[in-house]
Amino acid sequence: NAGVTQTPKFQVLKTGQSMTLQCAQDMNHNSMYWYRQDPGMGLRLIYYSASEGTTDKGEVPNGYNVSRLNKREFSLRLESAAPSQTSVYFCASSESRGLDTQYFGPGTRLTVL
Amino acid sequence: AQTVTQSQPEMSVQEAETVTLSCTYDTSESNYYLFWYKQPPSRQMILVIRQEAYKQQNATENRFSVNFQKAAKSFSLKISDSQLGDTAMYFCAFMKQKGAQKLVFGQGTRLTINP
Repeated sequence: NAGVTQTPKFQVLKTGQSMTLQCAQDMNHNSMYWYRQDPGMGLRLIYYSASEGTTDKGEVPNGYNVSRLNKREFSLRLESAAPSQTSVYFCASSESRGLDTQYFGPGTRLTVL
Repeated sequence: AQTVTQSQPEMSVQEAETVTLSCTYDTSESNYYLFWYKQPPSRQMILVIRQEAYKQQNATENRFSVNFQKAAKSFSLKISDSQLGDTAMYFCAFMKQKGAQKLVFGQGTRLTINP
């Protein structure tokens, strides 16, 4: 039982390049989330998927797209990376039943030059 | 919109001491959940403790306990008998009870436990 896994762990991009961050969970959770963490700040929600087939914007969605490929996988895409997107990205999942713990992946450190 | 404020950017105590981390929040909701997450240098986010707002009794998990003051919108974390492994960033987080389960985080407190 690996929990929440993310790939890659590290990535360096040039401005304008695109990439997809992958996230998978093996806990049969309904909901999945993408957060970003900037230095000196807490995590901020980018997008979330309350259930398979649905996605919604969070607090900071601009410049990102997501895909809930199936119940296990939730990907985050940067179409044209910008230096302001340099951050650590976390994926999380939860069952979505009342008081529910979100379980986090190990994070992806992304640098955009 | 909900906001969460942690007013102590950094704290440092000696091993075995007790330390309290502060958190205040702002919301118009009457039912919600509050959490403390720990982020050690490994970067992994780990749930420490959680509290349902409708429960008056403060949550406890071994050496970790909270002081939840709903009227004051305050949710502090007390760590007793602190250990070197408690060294980490600690984040307070809020979640509405109704609707999508979106966490709103505070800025974090960097806690260092010294030997």
